[in-house]
Amino acid sequence: GESVGLHLPTLSVQEGDNSIINCAYSNSASDYFIWYKQESGKGPQFIIDIRSNMDKRQGQRVTVLLNKTVKHLSLQIAATQPGDSAVYFCADGVGSGNTGKLIFGQGTTLQVKP
Amino acid sequence: KAGVTQTPRYLIKTRGQQVTLSCSPISGHRSVSWYQQTPGQGLQFLFEYFSETQRNKGNFPGRFSGRQFSNSRSEMNVSTLELGDSALYLCASSLETGNEKLFFGSGTQLSVL
Repeated sequence: GESVGLHLPTLSVQEGDNSIINCAYSNSASDYFIWYKQESGKGPQFIIDIRSNMDKRQGQRVTVLLNKTVKHLSLQIAATQPGDSAVYFCADGVGSGNTGKLIFGQGTTLQVKP
Repeated sequence: KAGVTQTPRYLIKTRGQQVTLSCSPISGHRSVSWYQQTPGQGLQFLFEYFSETQRNKGNFPGRFSGRQFSNSRSEMNVSTLELGDSALYLCASSLETGNEKLFFGSGTQLSVL
């Protein structure tokens, strides 16, 4: 079945540095991906999404890169701040038609050191 | 615009009981999905509703059920609770397609004793 994996369960960065969180997916037919941020006691918060017809998409301080050849995507956070400390999930939209279903990775905990 | 609202925030039940969780989607969103989150299994898809119809279902036993009302509000029910049902239950809404830009609520933390 489909799976989504993250390369590191925990990432520790210095405040002000850039963070890169990686994710791999298994389904070649996947055409839509989302990154979520989850803080303690809250539900996942939408950060940014990307479709398979794009290689890169930028938001405010965040960039998502998609490499379909190796089925890998990454989330880059510029100038990481203490408020960025959270668990980050990539999610695979598993193709159109599979409504409501996202396949989530296990999450990477980002720790920002002041 | 108000976000996805889930009630109650916390629930404590005992084995064998049943529970009903409620979700109000973002205004204008017609698709509601439910997920279970546990430390061991992560986030897992339960089911999705659109226009009062279950449109998609995950791999959970029949004890897990749901419904959607004409105003898009949704409820999920778990019958004959087991200890392993202890989890954070998350509701997410989206405009129509159901698996794009899902917006999640804060969840209901269910503890089964």
